[in-house]
Amino acid sequence: DADVTQTPRNRITKTGKRIMLECSQTKGHDRMYWYRQDPGLGLRLIYYSFDVKDINKGEISDGYSVSRQAQAKFSLSLESAIPNQTALYFCATSDPAGPLGTQYFGPGTRLLVL
Amino acid sequence: DAKTTQPPSMDCAEGRAANLPCNHSTISGNEYVYWYRQIHSQGPQYIIHGLKNNETNEMASLIITEDRKSSTLILPHATLRDTAVYYCIVSAGSGTYKYIFGTGTRLKVLA
Repeated sequence: DADVTQTPRNRITKTGKRIMLECSQTKGHDRMYWYRQDPGLGLRLIYYSFDVKDINKGEISDGYSVSRQAQAKFSLSLESAIPNQTALYFCATSDPAGPLGTQYFGPGTRLLVL
Repeated sequence: DAKTTQPPSMDCAEGRAANLPCNHSTISGNEYVYWYRQIHSQGPQYIIHGLKNNETNEMASLIITEDRKSSTLILPHATLRDTAVYYCIVSAGSGTYKYIFGTGTRLKVLA
């Protein structure tokens, strides 16, 4: 079984809808991240969390919110989806006690906002 | 965090060594060099990291210049499955959250 899973893997939604992307991990890591990737570009950090009570904004947090329900779960919400949020979304985890800074990525969620 | 500069694309013959360069001239003393790769649209995969010494693992070797302003990732015997986008990232390692992904190098391994 994969260490970092994301659901759904693909999603089509309409402008103005609220949607949630979910991430679960079995690695036992405290740190979790959400990134988005636009075609031909690298990943950009949306939010990150160092433990259950810690939430931090990344470089492109506007229009997004997150919830860290448990050590293993980190959800990303688009409160009112807009077409320019169409992208590939990745969740990642890291363990500060492991190889320094190494992040482990999920398989991604492809989101299309019409 | 320091920015990195990589060539946008490279080709390599199957079975030959692939040498992927990265410039990071503004790297700070406490920043590590990390390499990840992304095959098609899958999640990026960690390859290797280093601070100032050369490093080798089962996937690749990392050569960092003495002044730490540049590095080279070496895939010793490239296979078709190594075709991917390779990202060079500098970051302060443990305790940091900030990976700044550039556009990477698209490596194509040719049969």
